[in-house]
Amino acid sequence: DTGVSQNPRHKITKRGQNVTFRCDPISEHNRLYWYRQTLGQGPEFLTYFQNEAQLEKSRLLSDRFSAERPKGSFSTLEIQRTEQGDSAMYLCASRPPGASNEKLFFGSGTQLSVL
Amino acid sequence: EDKVVQSPLSLVVHEGDTVTLNCSYEVTNFRSLLWYKQEKKAPTFLFMLTSSGIEKKSGRLSSILDKKELFSILNITATQTGDSAVYLCAVEARRAGGTSYGKLTFGQGTILTVHP
Repeated sequence: DTGVSQNPRHKITKRGQNVTFRCDPISEHNRLYWYRQTLGQGPEFLTYFQNEAQLEKSRLLSDRFSAERPKGSFSTLEIQRTEQGDSAMYLCASRPPGASNEKLFFGSGTQLSVL
Repeated sequence: EDKVVQSPLSLVVHEGDTVTLNCSYEVTNFRSLLWYKQEKKAPTFLFMLTSSGIEKKSGRLSSILDKKELFSILNITATQTGDSAVYLCAVEARRAGGTSYGKLTFGQGTILTVHP
């Protein structure tokens, strides 16, 4: 499968626990994005990486959230001290280099449930 | 702040019907408008529109953009049960210098249900 891969597909955790999600973008895609989607809403932008550099973070990304892309390949999104309001689908997307390539390729997401 | 509003929020039709989904937007320095289809998890790309009045077409789906009135429509003719999904509209803004980086602002989506 050469698409964007996200793990785990589902995560159930108790409030206050830390969780980490992983995203493997399409090979050679240097741009990587994290989005969050709640029920009945469209995806909301969280953060963007170009190679290993995190170039933008949304106001939605509180200090409990941290994302990394240490070698410019896979990325991790960690949520510390989870809250029930963090329950959502976390989507990762990637995009190839080049200004003309606007299409984002999305992964299937990680569904987080905080009890 | 960029904003995208889709209508209707949900739509129920029968196979063979034609549907029109609407998307209006407010964005500073518009670069492109994109339509995605979301069935279970991953949104899948349908169209990207950058110029007014030029229809993009793929099989039974077509879309057009009006940059003056700031809206786009997505048409689906002869609908099938497999068209049942959430249809998402998103816009991308141009950064200073004319480049972009793929940050999309999405609408809330239109839930389309096609009954046999």
